[in-house]
Amino acid sequence: QAVLTQPSSLSASLGASASLTCTLRSGINVGTYRIYWFQQRPGSPPQFLLRYKSDSDKQQGSGVPSRFSGSKDASANAGILLISGLQSEDEADYYCMTWDSSAWVFGGGTKLTVL
Amino acid sequence: EVQLLESGGDLVQPGGSLRLSCAASGFTFSSYAMTWVRQAPGKGLEWVSSISGSGGSTYYAASMKGRFAISRDNSKNTVYLQMNSLRAEDTALYYCAKGGLGCSSITCFECWGQGTLVTVSS
Repeated sequence: QAVLTQPSSLSASLGASASLTCTLRSGINVGTYRIYWFQQRPGSPPQFLLRYKSDSDKQQGSGVPSRFSGSKDASANAGILLISGLQSEDEADYYCMTWDSSAWVFGGGTKLTVL
Repeated sequence: EVQLLESGGDLVQPGGSLRLSCAASGFTFSSYAMTWVRQAPGKGLEWVSSISGSGGSTYYAASMKGRFAISRDNSKNTVYLQMNSLRAEDTALYYCAKGGLGCSSITCFECWGQGTLVTVSS
């Protein structure tokens, strides 16, 4: 079982909100992990969006709009990237990442389509 | 302005070797860890290796340990990735990124290069 699991795709409407999930493997507690989120558009390197561990331990990327925010769902053992007020330029691949057992681990990525 | 410029990517035969470089500018290079991340064509991101600012600590993904070696020359503001015994599955765009260790106190992964392409094929 992969350390981080992301749905392969998600669709949401222009102006709406999208909630992207990053589920941690059973047996490891999301509460103890700092989750990083990246956006990648075709032909471009990844862009750091934010990192989130708790409301007191979080960091927004430089220049990243506040409509991108992080949170956690402890009941689902998942990190969440919430994008509000979806814009056409938000259509991209999104990756989560965390540090586990002396290694950085990426989720498989979610392709977000803005309808 | 922080800049990272990768180079060294090429077409190489299976079993061959290649050394990638990442030249950094715009920040105090020796104060930051550096990381290599790769992306196979049409696939997701995969962490390769990270090295501390001094070069004294290195970390590798399990599938690359023993074949790849990360190093840095702080006098040249450059981090390297020596890749040996290359396989077809190592074909990817290789990115370097600023940071990757000690991320509790600094911002990691906020700056990435454009990548350099490694193709392993006969």
